[in-house]
Amino acid sequence: AQSVTQPDIHITVSEGASLELRCNYSYGATPYLFWYVQSPGQGLQLLLKYFSGDTLVQGIKGFEAEFKRSQSSFNLRKPSVHWSDAAEYFCAVAGRAGGGNKLTFGTGTQLKVEL
Amino acid sequence: EAGVAQSPRYKIIEKRQSVAFWCNPISGHATLYWYQQILGQGPKLLIQFQNNGVVDDSQLPKDRFSAERLKGVDSTLKIQPAKLEDSAVYLCASSFPDFTDTQYFGPGTRLTVL
Repeated sequence: AQSVTQPDIHITVSEGASLELRCNYSYGATPYLFWYVQSPGQGLQLLLKYFSGDTLVQGIKGFEAEFKRSQSSFNLRKPSVHWSDAAEYFCAVAGRAGGGNKLTFGTGTQLKVEL
Repeated sequence: EAGVAQSPRYKIIEKRQSVAFWCNPISGHATLYWYQQILGQGPKLLIQFQNNGVVDDSQLPKDRFSAERLKGVDSTLKIQPAKLEDSAVYLCASSFPDFTDTQYFGPGTRLTVL
């Protein structure tokens, strides 16, 4: 069965500092990996996704993530955090379904940005 | 482009009452998903439709939860009767049917069961 672990429940960074959110996955085949962001009262918005090819994936809002098969990781990074990045971040792995895909989410990392 | 619409946004009910949530997906999206997100947890898939057929409902508590998508567009999720542990945000998402297509999420319905 597929699973995702996000070891950090809360992270606090200063505005302008760099950010790395950790994600480890478990999946029996080639993983398909996603990062979503959820702001208060909002639905989830896709930041980036990895299906194949280049292991460094660029996303929206200046985020990037690197797939490392040897470490079963897909960590999210941003070189300089803005106050508006404060939100909850979810990593997910997809399994094939009969049409579309079946996402399994981690428990999320709450990001706080100090001004 | 209109996003995924959900209603109501908030609902408070007593335990053992019934409740229904409505979802209108993005136009043209054949695949529709319902997720349950309990406070402090990630979303958990309850049911997935492809057009008006069920693809996966393995995590749907079928003794009290039901869902339908009769015309392959809008969908409703019902809980009858509700329990305290059903308090959660219910998220609807939709996508095109290809495996690589992105799921787009609605704002969710926050359910409180007293």
